[in-house]
Amino acid sequence: QVQLVESGGGLVKPGGSLRLSCAVSGFTLSDFYMNWMRQAPGKGLEWVAKIGSSGTFTKHAESVRGRFTVSRDVAKNLLYLQMDSLRAEDTAVYYCARDADYYYDSFGLLYWGQGALVAVSS
Amino acid sequence: QSALAQPPAASGSPGQSVTISCTGTRNDVGDYNYVSWYQHHPGKAPKLLIYEVKKRPSGVPTRFSGSKSGTTASLTVSGLQAEDEADYYCSSFVGRNNLVVFGGGTKLTVL
Repeated sequence: QVQLVESGGGLVKPGGSLRLSCAVSGFTLSDFYMNWMRQAPGKGLEWVAKIGSSGTFTKHAESVRGRFTVSRDVAKNLLYLQMDSLRAEDTAVYYCARDADYYYDSFGLLYWGQGALVAVSS
Repeated sequence: QSALAQPPAASGSPGQSVTISCTGTRNDVGDYNYVSWYQHHPGKAPKLLIYEVKKRPSGVPTRFSGSKSGTTASLTVSGLQAEDEADYYCSSFVGRNNLVVFGGGTKLTVL
């Protein structure tokens, strides 16, 4: 069955870097659009980034553009979120999520990981 | 990008129907049929209820339905059950910049 498991979260100082990984099973990354989402404490869901099924298309939210980078390794079944120049407002639970439809972007996220906590504090 | 507008709270008694609105603009909800709805119980992963305005993933009860009129999308929960008490979020594709925007969330209380 489809599974997504995030790792790499933790406590980091402002200005620091962290790389989140999302290990997927039950499907192939080259067949689906993948997304990163986050939820800050007491706040709502926020879309962070996506990578297309081809791997060549990526998009990042304006709040993280230039600081965060989504990528993947199809052979290793891993999705990544490289987070640089971290700020206190990036503190959140980060989720990786898979699109509902095969190969194209339906903008509906059907499968989610359990989340990884990233805390940015001095 | 500006968030979609959702009412912060909604409520209903068991068995009743509740509709949650999600208001955007012509750049997102109005011109594109890429509206999704999620149910989120605190501490758990969000669950996709509706995508592309009215499509329901396999396993989602038929008492959850989606619709759209102009720049406002709606999620209707019929036959409210206690386990429906959760936070509900809408999202939409934003055509102007090919991004995704979410609503602020609606806390549904089953009385």
